[in-house]
This record gives sequence, C-alpha cells and structure tokens, in this order.
Amino acid sequence: SYELTQLPSVSVAPGETAMITCGGDNIGDKMVNWYQQKPGQAPIRVIYYVNDRPSGIPERFSGSNSGNTATLTISRVDAGDEADYYCQVWDSSNYHRVFGGGTKLTVL
Amino acid sequence: QVHPVQSGAEVKKPGASVKVSCKLSGTTLTEISMHWVRQAPGKGLEWMGGFDPENDGIVYPQNFQDRVTLTEDTSTNTAYMELSSLRYEDTAVYYCATESIGFDSWGQGTLVTVSS
Repeated sequence: SYELTQLPSVSVAPGETAMITCGGDNIGDKMVNWYQQKPGQAPIRVIYYVNDRPSGIPERFSGSNSGNTATLTISRVDAGDEADYYCQVWDSSNYHRVFGGGTKLTVL
Repeated sequence: QVHPVQSGAEVKKPGASVKVSCKLSGTTLTEISMHWVRQAPGKGLEWMGGFDPENDGIVYPQNFQDRVTLTEDTSTNTAYMELSSLRYEDTAVYYCATESIGFDSWGQGTLVTVSS
C-alpha cells in the first residue's frame, strides 16, 4: 500500500518561512491535499490539488509537488499557525485515501 | 455551506459495537462522497473508508475491512459508521468528512472510549 512520510516536527521563528515536507514514491504524479489541525479541533483543508487554497486560507500558505516530495510552505509564520499538518493523497491503484503521519509545527 | 454534525460521545466495552452518525446539511449525500477518519489519542489521522465515485462504491482499507460498515440513509441525509469487535486501541475520536477535492468539510468528531 502507498505510504506518505512526514517529519514529526518542524520549528520556525515568527516571521520566517516554514517548509513541511511529505515524501512518497513518485508523489509528484499525484494530487496532494494538506490539512491543518489545532488541538481539540477537527482538521481543516488548507491546500488542495497541490497548490490551490480554499476560501479563507491566507495566501501565505502554498504547496508544491515534484518527484518524491510534496511541500507545504507557510510564509511569514505567526503563532496562530502552530498546529499539526497532514498531507493526504488518493491512491488510484486501490481507491484508498492515505494520510502522512503528520508534522507538528512549533513557532518559537 | 456544508455542515456535518455527528452524534455524541460513546463508552463501550471490549467486544461490543459502536455506531456513530453524521447528519449532513447544506448538501445531500447523493451529491457528495462521505468518508470516515479516526484519530487515536496523541496520534495521527487514519482513513477508515468512504464512497469512491471512480469505484462507484464504498472502499475500505485492509485493516478495517472486516470490522467497519459504512451506510447512508438518504431520506434523513445521515451517514453512519459502525465498528464491531471493539478493542481498547479503538479508543479514538471518529470524524466524518465530505470529499470533493480532498476532505473539505469535517464533522466535529465523536469520542469513542473502549473501557471495561
């Protein structure tokens, strides 16, 4: 089955840029979605189709995808961005949905 | 605006079953695909299954295939997730989520606690 790999944690200072990666075999061929989850809350989608943002998500959030790595980039990070972030894809070989293990973003 | 609302918390004994509901407003079950995702305490998101339009049916990951049943009542616009043969490690928050492009609307979550 398809697997997605994320680093458990990323730390960044306020105002800096956070890059959260998601590794998978030829993930560049897939449409990647990203979710933000704050403690005690349901996840919310922040990026879909690699680099599209739902309404209400700041332009500071962007995505890219190539080769074996997809990346969620958050520019000008602030304390409100501190959360867990999950990547997710659709595995066309078996119609399964797959989540990465999640990355905890800490704003120093 | 699509708004799934889930049933309340449950406490079940090992070996029992639990059925969680997810009532949808803002759209109908015939227009979207409903999926279920769970999250054990301190752990990540785990997909449990859902309707796949490409497959024209409900698909389940292998680790849930024998114990999870997803159903829908279109007359009440409510989706259900039933998990059987509960184990302590099934203690988790269970979410329903609609899927259009990724999971775009999530229920508030239902805590299921398995305890003797």
